[in-house]
This record gives sequence, structure tokens and C-alpha cells, in this order.
Amino acid sequence: IAGITQAPTSQILAAGRRMTLRCTQDMRHNAMYWYRQDLGLGLRLIHYSNTAGTTGKGEVPDGYSVSRANTDDFPLTLASAVPSQTSVYFCASSDREGRYTFGSGTRLTVV
Amino acid sequence: AQKVTQAQTEISVVEKEDVTLDCVYETRDTTYYLFWYKQPPSGELVFLIRRNSFDEQNEISGRYSWNFQKSTSSFNFTITASQVVDSAVYFCALSEAGVWNQGGKLIFGQGTELSVKP
Repeated sequence: IAGITQAPTSQILAAGRRMTLRCTQDMRHNAMYWYRQDLGLGLRLIHYSNTAGTTGKGEVPDGYSVSRANTDDFPLTLASAVPSQTSVYFCASSDREGRYTFGSGTRLTVV
Repeated sequence: AQKVTQAQTEISVVEKEDVTLDCVYETRDTTYYLFWYKQPPSGELVFLIRRNSFDEQNEISGRYSWNFQKSTSSFNFTITASQVVDSAVYFCALSEAGVWNQGGKLIFGQGTELSVKP
């Protein structure tokens, strides 16, 4: 089934640890995105990538980094996790006609 | 800057009532897209509709209808004869209509939590 795969589904992480959230798509979409969802704030853009080899900062990029080595993969890394990064993380992609596909989300708890 | 506002944080209705979810947006773009997504308790984001800024026709899909008014920068969503299965968080979102393969970022509203009681 075409779409976006995120891993892990959920994770409890000790503060200060490094963590990479994985995102893989099989639709050959150029653009990919990472959002975090927090109660009362909706989804906020962390980082995006217009195409392989390029990335950009979204609304809330601090504490996160991304890479886009190829079209399919767009991992999100927390170098040193803090409790305020407890959230649900969604990866998404869009095609050239502006249709978005979202992953199922990763629920991350930093303790 | 682009912004989407969903002023209703929570709405509670009794089954079979009609309910309207409000969405107001801000953008300087002349061409843009508006979206509605549903997030049921299971957590996934379910696409409901996308509307081009040039198309102000209202749309109806079963019990769902959307009213797009550029004059008031609003894109409201109405559920007719609500059902318990409609209980979810609903998000309105806005996207610039640029060159999609260069990335058109979605800007989300805060979401409205709809509770439909039997």
C-alpha cells in the first residue's frame, strides 16, 4: 500500500538521550515535512524538504535536525531530548499537485 | 504571514443535531488551497476536502458541506445530522499554491474537538 511509514509508533525516552524518528515514503514525492502535534496548538511544522539534498526550517525547528539523502527517507533527529519535546510527530509528503499524505504518527514521551 | 484560526476549541452536540465548525484564515497569496482534516481518537489524520482559492462554490458530500467565502476569509464546515462516529478533532489548514514539487507547507489551525453524544 502506497504511503508513509513512520517508526517507531511510540517511544519513551530519557531526557538527554539522542533519538531518530524514521519516515519513509514510496510515492516518489519530492516534498516532505515533519510536524509536531500538541494539545491546543494544532500541528506545527518543524522542518521540511523540497527535494532530496535540501532542507528548511519550519515554525519550531530548535532542538531538531533532519536530513534528506534520498527521495524516500526523511529522518528527524533529537540530539538531546528534553521533556518539552514530548509530543506526537507526524511525517508528511506532498505531490506536485498539492495533495498531502500523512504517516500514522510517532508518540514520543521524554521523561 | 499565513495563519489559520479555529476559534471553537470544543463543541458538544447531541446526535442528529447539525453542527458548524468555523475556520478563518489569513494569507497574502492570491492563489492558495484550504483543507479540512479529521483526526479520530485512533490518531491518524483523515483528509476530508481540498479547495482551491479560485473556486468559491460550496461543496456537499453526504452529510458534510463546506462554505468557502473569500470576502470573509472563511472556510466553514457543517455536519448535518451528526452521528457519534463524527466525534473527532477537526483541523482546518491552508497551503500556498506554489510549485508543489518544491514544497507547499501546510499551516494548521488549532483544531476543534467535536463530541457527539448519543
